[in-house]
This record gives sequence, C-alpha cells and structure tokens, in this order.
Amino acid sequence: AQKITQTQPGMFVQEKEAVTLDCTYDTSDPSYGLFWYKQPSSGEMIFLIYQGSYDQQNATEGRYSLNFQKARKSANLVISASQLGDSAMYFCAMREALTTNSGGSNYKLTFGKGTLLTVNP
Amino acid sequence: NAGVTQTPKFRILKIGQSMTLQCTQDMNHNYMYWYRQDPGMGLKLIYYSVGAGITDKGEVPNGYNVSRSTTEDFPLRLELAAPSQTSVYFCASSYGEGVGQPQHFGDGTRLSIL
Repeated sequence: AQKITQTQPGMFVQEKEAVTLDCTYDTSDPSYGLFWYKQPSSGEMIFLIYQGSYDQQNATEGRYSLNFQKARKSANLVISASQLGDSAMYFCAMREALTTNSGGSNYKLTFGKGTLLTVNP
Repeated sequence: NAGVTQTPKFRILKIGQSMTLQCTQDMNHNYMYWYRQDPGMGLKLIYYSVGAGITDKGEVPNGYNVSRSTTEDFPLRLELAAPSQTSVYFCASSYGEGVGQPQHFGDGTRLSIL
C-alpha cells in the first residue's frame, strides 16, 4: 500500500488565488515528520515546509501553510496568493525511521507521486 | 553558499558502461542520501550514509554502489549501466537525526542509458 498519496495529478489556479494540494499518509509510527517539496521545471528539489506528528499547531512559512489533520492522516499544503512562479511539481513526503546495519537509526523520506500546479495569469 | 553539489548535470552512457556520480556538501552534514526519480514519480531511496565509513541500502540499491570516505563526499557508482537506470539522480544531506530535519537536495544528475 502506498504510504504517501497525492490524488491530484494536476491542479490549476488563477494568479492571486489560494490553492490546496492534497496529501494523505499511512504510518503506524507515532513519531513522524511530513514535508513538502517544490520541484520547478529546472529540476531542483526545494524544501518548503515541515510538520511534526507531535506539533500542536499547523506549520506556516510565508505563503505556505500546512493543514494537518492527524486523525484523518492528511497534510494538505495551502498556497495563498498564488504567483506565476509557483507553477511547479509539488511533492509530499513523510520521514520514516530506518534501522541501519550499524545498529543505529536513521530516517528516510518516502515521497508521493506529486501534483503539477499550474498558475494561470 | 554551495550546499549540495552534484556533477555531472547530464550524462549519456552506453549499456554496460560504468560511471560515478559525484556528490559533495559543504554544510558539515553527517547524513547523506542518494535518490532516483523516474518520470512521473516521486523519489526512491537508493543508498544512504549516517557518517564517514558507514553506508546502508535503501529501497532500490541493485546495480549501484556507494562509498563514504569523508563527511563531504558521497559518490554513487554504476558498474554495468542498464536502460532501467535511466533516471534523474538526486543527492541529499541532512544535519542529524530526528524526524524534523529537512533534507537538502542537489540539483540532480540526468542520466540516460542507451
């Protein structure tokens, strides 16, 4: 079963409007982290925002906010006042624990398939 | 303010050739990762390292090898290139443990195997 599900392959929004990109996740670990990354057409991965499973408040970073509904296992990204430069692929990712061969612990990111956002002028 | 630097940015290989994708970071991060991104998909973890001299397999390690002789460098080697390894490869690093540590990515290496 997919651990991160992004059900919107593509989204369109008018410039200056707000848009919500959906993300649901599946984990039995009580401690986890949720991230959103932006990938413009140039290809780089840009970290946008983080939400921890124990955080009481929804994360915000400038025009980005995360609508975290723990009981529903959803972590939707809200972009306010969309700009043309927001057109990009957006990936939701969950940080999960790994047990290393050395006996320690590390974490990996599991990514969804992404949502392609297009901002129209 | 370099961050994570990957070279080369593009490469075309013939089937059976080998090559090394270079990754270096200047943030003194202990944790480094290699991912591949296939068209229309998210990233999948190939290998990771929690520090110099320590490496571990991720989800899709077959056909790849890594080494970590220094904190800064984490090269990824393809020994016998196959068409299935055509992908975009991302190197990433993070400061430490904890679910809240974001991973910082390089700009990627676009690799085609023909």
